[in-house]
Amino acid sequence: GEDVEQSLFLSVREGDSSVINCTYTDSSSTYLYWYKQEPGAGLQLLTYIFSNMDMKQDQRLTVLLNKKDKHLSLRIADTQTGDSAIYFCAESMPHGGATNKLIFGTGTLLAVQP
Amino acid sequence: GAGVSQSPSNKVTEKGKDVELRCDPISGHTALYWYRQRLGQGLEFLIYFQGNSAPDKSGLPSDRFSAERTGESVSTLTIQRTQQEDSAVYLCASSFPSGSYNEQFFGPGTRLTVL
Repeated sequence: GEDVEQSLFLSVREGDSSVINCTYTDSSSTYLYWYKQEPGAGLQLLTYIFSNMDMKQDQRLTVLLNKKDKHLSLRIADTQTGDSAIYFCAESMPHGGATNKLIFGTGTLLAVQP
Repeated sequence: GAGVSQSPSNKVTEKGKDVELRCDPISGHTALYWYRQRLGQGLEFLIYFQGNSAPDKSGLPSDRFSAERTGESVSTLTIQRTQQEDSAVYLCASSFPSGSYNEQFFGPGTRLTVL
């Protein structure tokens, strides 16, 4: 199947670290992505990781990939109230060698308490 | 243009009517995608265009749904005889894939409400 699963909700206090988890299904996915959706706005790509990497760091963001367990996580250091949003992980699904479609997770609502 | 645009931003219609949703991709992006996001849920893939052909229509939920694209430009998603379960936000994305990397740029969506 093409299920990408995430926990629905995470609440943290400002300044703490947030960890959002995702499990995916297709071991042939070449790239995995994290998107952010703020209220009333479209999705924006936050970061991505290539499948041959274990970790990628980008300022306050750290992505960890465990291919064996098909587990992806996004850590946000020093979480701010502006980080409150829904976070989606997505895996790419190759389609006949042409452009990949993305299979999205259900999304995790991150609520940051001041 | 600067980004992906969609119109209308909101559409309220009566059950049984047809609706057309429009997407203007980023200029030069060869790939275009339609997704649906129901309330409180993730995104469901509907259809993907490469140029004006649609190699993957596997996500269209029924034959009431159709889409077309003019060249590498505007796309229209049409829903005929709308039903209440069609109520959702319809998102369009475009991309210019590089190898297997495919960053998709999303529009703000069209919120469809079927009464």
